[in-house]
Amino acid sequence: GENVEQHPSTLSVQEGDSAVIKCTYSDSASNYFPWYKQELGKGPQLIIDIRSNVGEKKDQRIAVTLNKTAKHFSLHITETQPEDSAVYFCAANTGFQKLVFGTGTRLLVSP
Amino acid sequence: KAGVTQTPRYLIKTRGQQVTLSCSPISGHRSVSWYQQTPGQGLQFLFEYFSETQRNKGNFPGRFSGRQFSNSRSEMNVSTLELGDSALYLCASSLARRDEKLFFGSGTQLSVL
Repeated sequence: GENVEQHPSTLSVQEGDSAVIKCTYSDSASNYFPWYKQELGKGPQLIIDIRSNVGEKKDQRIAVTLNKTAKHFSLHITETQPEDSAVYFCAANTGFQKLVFGTGTRLLVSP
Repeated sequence: KAGVTQTPRYLIKTRGQQVTLSCSPISGHRSVSWYQQTPGQGLQFLFEYFSETQRNKGNFPGRFSGRQFSNSRSEMNVSTLELGDSALYLCASSLARRDEKLFFGSGTQLSVL
């Protein structure tokens, strides 16, 4: 079955720096790759997603890139702010509504 | 528009008991899926419901079950609770089965003592 690996597990940056989180997946049949942000006491919030027919997608300070050949996808956050501090999860689909999640990255943005 | 609503927010049960968790999807959303989140195993898919039918099931024992009502609201049930069932149970909804954007609720934190 699908396996999603995520790195790093923790990431500390200064406010204004960029942050990059990387994921790899194993099942070449996966074609949808969302990223979720989870704040303390809340459920995961969808922040950006990408489909396998697209190489890059951007939404303001957040961008996602996908390399289908290498089975890699990454989240890029520019000009980080303290409110970006949270746990970020990547995921890959293995069927309708069924996502396999990475293990999460705890991002800490220091003022 | 209100988000996904899960009740109760917290639950404390003892081993051997059973529990029912409730989920109201975003208005207009017809597909509901459930996930379990633990520090050790992360986020894991439990099952998916659409049109009152279970469409997909994760690798969990039969003690975990669910259902969906005609108004798309869903419940999940765990019988004969074990200590390892302590987790955050998350419900997610989407417009339809083929709409893969999942919107999660805040979850129900279940503690089994």
